[in-house]
Order: sequence, then C-alpha cells, then structure tokens
Amino acid sequence: GESVGLHLPTLSVQEGDNSIINCAYSNSASDYFIWYKQESGKGPQFIIDIRSNMDKRQGQRVTVLLNKTVKHLSLQIAATQPGDSAVYFCAEKGSSASKIIFGSGTRLSIRP
Amino acid sequence: EAGVAQSPRYKIIEKRQSVAFWCNPISGHATLYWYQQILGQGPKLLIQFQNNGVVDDSQLPKDRFSAERLKGVDSTLKIQPAKLEDSAVYLCASSFRLGLAATGELFFGEGSRLTVL
Repeated sequence: GESVGLHLPTLSVQEGDNSIINCAYSNSASDYFIWYKQESGKGPQFIIDIRSNMDKRQGQRVTVLLNKTVKHLSLQIAATQPGDSAVYFCAEKGSSASKIIFGSGTRLSIRP
Repeated sequence: EAGVAQSPRYKIIEKRQSVAFWCNPISGHATLYWYQQILGQGPKLLIQFQNNGVVDDSQLPKDRFSAERLKGVDSTLKIQPAKLEDSAVYLCASSFRLGLAATGELFFGEGSRLTVL
C-alpha cells in the first residue's frame, strides 16, 4: 500500500547548525518525492522535489537525498535559522498515480 | 500574483449540522485539491479535480462529504451532517497541470479550520 512515514516526530537544532529531517516510504512504485514546509496557521509550502532517477538535488540552503535501495529520503537544511521553525512533510507520487500523498511530518525547532 | 483563497478561516458548528467551504485557486491552475488535515497529522487528500472533472475522490466520505467545481474555477466542499471526527483544517490547493510530467508544486491556501462540538 501507499504510506509515507518519518523517523522522528520532533527535531531540535541549534541555530546555525545543519538540520537533517528523514523520511521513509513504502511504495516502491513512487517515482517522485517532494518536501513541504508548514508554518503555524498556514498551508504547506513547496520546498524542493526530486525524481527517482536522481539521488541528490540541491536548492538554496536545502538538499534532498534519495536512497531508493532502502526507500529513504532526507532533507538537509544548512545553517538553520529561526525562520526554519516549522513542520516539514515529505510527500510522494507514484508513476501511475496523480495524487500526492503526505507523510505525518517532523516538527523542527531552533534553539538560540 | 494572488494566492489560493479560502473562506471561512474558522467555523464552529455542532454535530449533525452542515458546513460549506469555498476555494478560489490561482488563476490558470487547472487542478484543484481538497485536503483534510487533522491536528498533528499530514494532509490527507479528499478529492482532486482537473478543470471541472473529478480525478480522484477515493478518500472522500461520500455519505457526508460532497465537493463541486462547476465552472472549472472555484470549488466548494460541503459536509452534511458533520461528525466530531470531522474537526480538522480543510486545505485547498491548486497546481498548473496534472500528469506524469507535472511537478508536485501544489500551492495551498491558508485553510479553513473546522471545530465540531
């Protein structure tokens, strides 16, 4: 079946350090993965995506890594800032499906 | 560019009452989604439209939930009668196009928070 889960529900990081948020997925047919950020009281906001023919993709201060062998992806945030405090969701889409399925989220908190 | 608009932002009703939520997607976006987000969980897709046609409504509780997008632009989501477990944030999102080549970049509204007492 389709399911996307996360290893840790909460993550506390020192300001300025790098953050790593992990996500496991179970549907081997999924070929497209997305990370979203959701701040309190707002809708999710697209951060970065990656297709299954890639294992790494970089954006501005963010990097997504995909390991298809163990069905795992991660979001790395460099030099974490207070504005990065939010809940982060990984999401997936299968090659034959049009819908995007969200995981349960990791809350990232920043220590000053 | 205007974002996805939703109303009302907050609604409190008693169980067995009805409620309706409205969504206006980003201009030109053909695909519209309604997600339900229960506190502490990720968004769950209820229904997905491509223009005014339904692409996926497999997770929509059709005995009480209904949604329409009559002219392929605005959409309404209705719950009748509401149950306590329907308390959640209802998120509307839109994207430019649907399909295997489409990106996963959904643009979300701020959501409508429903409390059922």
